[in-house]
Amino acid sequence: QVQLVQPGAEVRKPGASVKVSCKASGYTFSAYYIHWVRQAPGQGLEWMGWINPNSGGTTYAYKFEGRVTMTRDTSISTVYMELSGLRSDDTAVYYCARVGGSSGYRLSYWGQGTLFTVSS
Amino acid sequence: DIQMTQSPSSLSASVRDRITITCQASQDISTHLNWYQQRPGKAPKLLIYDASTLESGVPSRFSGSGSGTDFTFTISSLQPEDFATYYCQQYDSLPITFGPGTRVDVK
Repeated sequence: QVQLVQPGAEVRKPGASVKVSCKASGYTFSAYYIHWVRQAPGQGLEWMGWINPNSGGTTYAYKFEGRVTMTRDTSISTVYMELSGLRSDDTAVYYCARVGGSSGYRLSYWGQGTLFTVSS
Repeated sequence: DIQMTQSPSSLSASVRDRITITCQASQDISTHLNWYQQRPGKAPKLLIYDASTLESGVPSRFSGSGSGTDFTFTISSLQPEDFATYYCQQYDSLPITFGPGTRVDVK
C-alpha cells in the first residue's frame, strides 16, 4: 500500500534552515507528484508547492519563493522540503501528500506530518 | 489568490443527522474543488474530488455538488467517526488554496 513516512519532529532556532524528508513506498515513485502542505497550531491548511519526482521540476507558492526548496532522491524514493530563514510563524506541522490518479491536484495520500518548532 | 470561504465555521450535530457545509470561491473555479476530512492530530483525508466524485474507499454517505463559485458538501447520516473538521480546496489556479474549515462536533 502507498505510504509516505516523515520524521516526527524538528526544532530549530530563528534564522536557521530545516530539511524535512518524505519517504515513499508502495508505488512507482517517479509517477506521481508530491505536494507539501503546512498547518500552524490550531489553524487551517496552507499549500507550499509541489515537486515532480520524475523530472525534479518544482512549483512553489509565491509566498515561499526564495525560502523553500523541494528536491528528490530517486535512488531512495524520498522527497525533501527545505525551508530557510525560519521565523516563529513557521512553527507548524508540515505534510507531504501524493496526488491520486491522473489528477495533479487531488491529494489522496498523506504523510503523518512533521512538527517544526521554531524557537530561540 | 482565490479566496475560499466556508459556512458554518462550526456546527453541532448528532449521530444520524444530515449535515451540509457550503464552500464559496471568490471567482469561478468550475468544478476544480476537493473536500477533505481531518480528525484531531491526524493528516487530512481526501473524501471528494472534482466537486462531486467520491474518492475510492470513502463511504457513500459523503457527497459533494456545485460548480462555479458555490459548492456543497453533505453527510447524509452522520456517524461517530465523522466528528472532525472539513476543508474545501480549490485547484483552479495557483496558489492552491483551502477554505478555513468547518468543525463538526457532538451536540
